[in-house]
Amino acid sequence: DIQMTQSPSTLSASVGDRVTITCRASQTIDSWLAWYQQKPGKAPKLLIYKASSLESGVPSRFSGSGSGTEFTLTISSLQPDDFATYYCQQYKSYLYSFGQGTKVEIK
Amino acid sequence: EVQLLESGGGLVQPGGSLRLSCAASGFTFSSYAMSWVRQAPGKGLEWVSVIGANGGPTYYAHSVKGRFTTSRDNSKSTLYLQMSGLRADDTAVYYCAKHRLVAMITGAFDIWGQGTTVTVSS
Repeated sequence: DIQMTQSPSTLSASVGDRVTITCRASQTIDSWLAWYQQKPGKAPKLLIYKASSLESGVPSRFSGSGSGTEFTLTISSLQPDDFATYYCQQYKSYLYSFGQGTKVEIK
Repeated sequence: EVQLLESGGGLVQPGGSLRLSCAASGFTFSSYAMSWVRQAPGKGLEWVSVIGANGGPTYYAHSVKGRFTTSRDNSKSTLYLQMSGLRADDTAVYYCAKHRLVAMITGAFDIWGQGTTVTVSS
């Protein structure tokens, strides 16, 4: 099975900061990676698919990069609505797997 | 509006059974694979199962294989998760999710339901 590891687990940042979250796969997943945002009590929301493709309606301050085993999600200028938990997910294998999550908190 | 609406959650005793439903609307349900994802209280997301657009193939997480069965009725635009042999660690919010690409069993999940809560406790 493919294991996904995110870092950091928690990130404290201020509005306007540039934020980067890293996701590593235990084996190559090419570019078959998605990023989701989840707010408390709500369902996850798709932000990025195929490692770097922005889902329709998602603000352009979100971007994704990477391939193989190492990936990043970047928020170019953190906004108040962005404080949430972010998950990466691989879909190279039918046994989909998520990272453990990164909580972005207000500094 | 594209929408998924889960139902069927509740309190069940260890060893018991429960069937969850996910009613889809606003898109051609029969064209898309669907997954179930769960989230235990205070924990992260865990993928549970996937089913192809036509009802097959199906794949399951190791933690539920042999106990859970995913099916769908395309005539009713409804996805199901039959859960048996429930354990305390199955306690979670269960989400259904639509796969992004037509006919592809792989892919990101672009639409999620609001979730239904399953609590396994005596």
